[in-house]
Amino acid sequence: DAGVIQSPRHEVTEMGQEVTLRCKPISGHDYLFWYRQTMMRGLELLIYFNNNVPIDDSGMPEDRFSAKMPNASFSTLKIQPSEPRDSAVYFCASSFFEPPGELFFGEGSRLTVL
Amino acid sequence: QKEVEQNSGPLSVPEGAIASLNCTYSDRGSQSFFWYRQYSGKSPELIMSIYSNGDKEDGRFTAQLNKASQYVSLLIRDSQPSDSATYLCAVTRSNYGGSQGNLIFGKGTKLSVKP
Repeated sequence: DAGVIQSPRHEVTEMGQEVTLRCKPISGHDYLFWYRQTMMRGLELLIYFNNNVPIDDSGMPEDRFSAKMPNASFSTLKIQPSEPRDSAVYFCASSFFEPPGELFFGEGSRLTVL
Repeated sequence: QKEVEQNSGPLSVPEGAIASLNCTYSDRGSQSFFWYRQYSGKSPELIMSIYSNGDKEDGRFTAQLNKASQYVSLLIRDSQPSDSATYLCAVTRSNYGGSQGNLIFGKGTKLSVKP
């Protein structure tokens, strides 16, 4: 298996623009997670899905953030409008077992909002 | 009080020495504990999990858990330059609403192993 695949790897955008991050989990994994990592706050859970259904979105910072999982092999995290404080590395991870099973992380999407 | 605390480091040890990484957590109901390793510019990867008090060994790595003291540690024996990375401690939350206890990560300790 190719592992968790994220795109884009790097994104530079201007404040106010819409950003869409994409993730393909490992086939057969029922759980998908979106994390954000910054130096100040570390690795924070934003939202996670089980069988394409959002289970916990309490970590989503505000209404500008939204996530979808239309099928078992694809998820998006959207930020609209983006702000400089959204600059971070966004990781997607998937898991076969119910949390806290081992998380398999993608390579991350580094977002810079100017 | 922060939920999972780690010394940010950097922790510098000579090659061949024992590196000791420590983590404390605030949720007394936490049941599962993990150590993830993250190389610079890369994603975290699981290296150890521990669920009961005591020691758990896997090769050069030993995880230690003391729930009474709310303390978990990772020992790396015979440290190698390739062990240089940031080590993230992760702990499950108990009674986290309807969720089954998602992971809370510490900010990590940066380890540097000098040849």
